[in-house]
Amino acid sequence: QKEVEQDPGPLSVPEGAIVSLNCTYSNSAFQYFMWYRQYSRKGPELLMYTYSSGNKEDGRFTAQVDKSSKYISLFIRDSQPSDSATYLCAMSGMNTGFQKLVFGTGTRLLVSP
Amino acid sequence: DAMVIQNPRYQVTQFGKPVTLSCSQTLNHNVMYWYQQKSSQAPKLLFHYYDKDFNNEADTPDNFQSRRPNTSFCFLDIRSPGLGDAAMYLCATSRDRGRDQYFGAGTRLSVL
Repeated sequence: QKEVEQDPGPLSVPEGAIVSLNCTYSNSAFQYFMWYRQYSRKGPELLMYTYSSGNKEDGRFTAQVDKSSKYISLFIRDSQPSDSATYLCAMSGMNTGFQKLVFGTGTRLLVSP
Repeated sequence: DAMVIQNPRYQVTQFGKPVTLSCSQTLNHNVMYWYQQKSSQAPKLLFHYYDKDFNNEADTPDNFQSRRPNTSFCFLDIRSPGLGDAAMYLCATSRDRGRDQYFGAGTRLSVL
């Protein structure tokens, strides 16, 4: 079993839809949770960063962490064609020596006009 | 704007011919990382520097080396590239270990 599981997609939605992207993980020691957006042939761009459980909102993006269920989500409201990209979750914690992020494989999102 | 800059964006090399990729940062972060990313896969950490302290991942081949001459610059050396080393190479920085990391645009390496 992988430490972090993420559905590869693609997830296809119409413009304006609410998008829900999710990751599950197995290691309860993870404490820092991140979402990255990666456009084709570009480096990952940090979107959201949360510590421990709870919600964090930034514009059209909301990140949720449920440590009891080992489940994290990224919601995108009013999705735009420019949101079409691969979304990677990443996390770190004490067991990794705080040295490295463990990434999901990414979910490819396609937003059609 | 503070950022992480990778050069070149595209690199073509021949099988077995050494190649060096460079990364510079203006964020003044302590930690610099090198990742390898193949198509539709998650980034794979090769190694990182915490200041001048080098940390190699256990499964990183000896063919991959790194140098960090100062806070701002870090280099990835591939001594004898094989066809399997063709990938996107990503440099990232963070203020401290295990925290949010900031990536450069990447260098796409082709091996002929």
